[in-house]
Amino acid sequence: NAGVTQTPKFQVLKTGQSMTLQCAQDMNHEYMSWYRQDPGMGLRLIHYSVGAGITDQGEVPNGYNVSRSTTEDFPLRLLSAAPSQTSVYFCASSYGLGRETQYFGPGTRLLVL
Amino acid sequence: SQKIEQNSEALNIQEGKTATLTCNYTNYSPAYLQWYRQDPGRGPVFLLLIRENEKEKRKERLKVTFDTTLKQSLFHITASQPADSATYLCALGENAGNMLTFGGGTRLMVKP
Repeated sequence: NAGVTQTPKFQVLKTGQSMTLQCAQDMNHEYMSWYRQDPGMGLRLIHYSVGAGITDQGEVPNGYNVSRSTTEDFPLRLLSAAPSQTSVYFCASSYGLGRETQYFGPGTRLLVL
Repeated sequence: SQKIEQNSEALNIQEGKTATLTCNYTNYSPAYLQWYRQDPGRGPVFLLLIRENEKEKRKERLKVTFDTTLKQSLFHITASQPADSATYLCALGENAGNMLTFGGGTRLMVKP
């Protein structure tokens, strides 16, 4: 049971480039989410999904796209990277919304030049 | 505006002492609050959940209190150890249908 996995661990992009951050979980969780973590800002919710085929925006969705074609995978796409997207990105999953424990992946550190 | 505040300054304590971390919130009516531990370069790990109708929750050396009048949660680690050194995040949710909102975290350093 690998839990929540994320790839890559680290990525450097140039402004304007696009890329996809991968997230997968093997716990059969319905709920998955993406956060970004910046110094002093805590974790901010980007997008989340309550099941395959269903996604919704969080607090800071601009510049990011998501899709959920399977229960296991929840990729995050940066359409045109900007320096303001330099951050550490965490994927999380849980059995349910809200009260349920969230299981986090190890994170992807992204640097946009 | 809504705000969740944790002390951004690191808390330094001596091994064996009790560490107390604070989570204050404004303009929220949380139904529950969670505490997570985060080590450098790792994702957060769940520690405890406390609901609005619970005053206190314990798990081994950990204790969480929740005061909805003061709009505050306190997180205690008794008999602290250097291995407890980490950043601790509080997160709250206003109802079962909402995603969590996280505070900025407090770094705890336990010195031997």
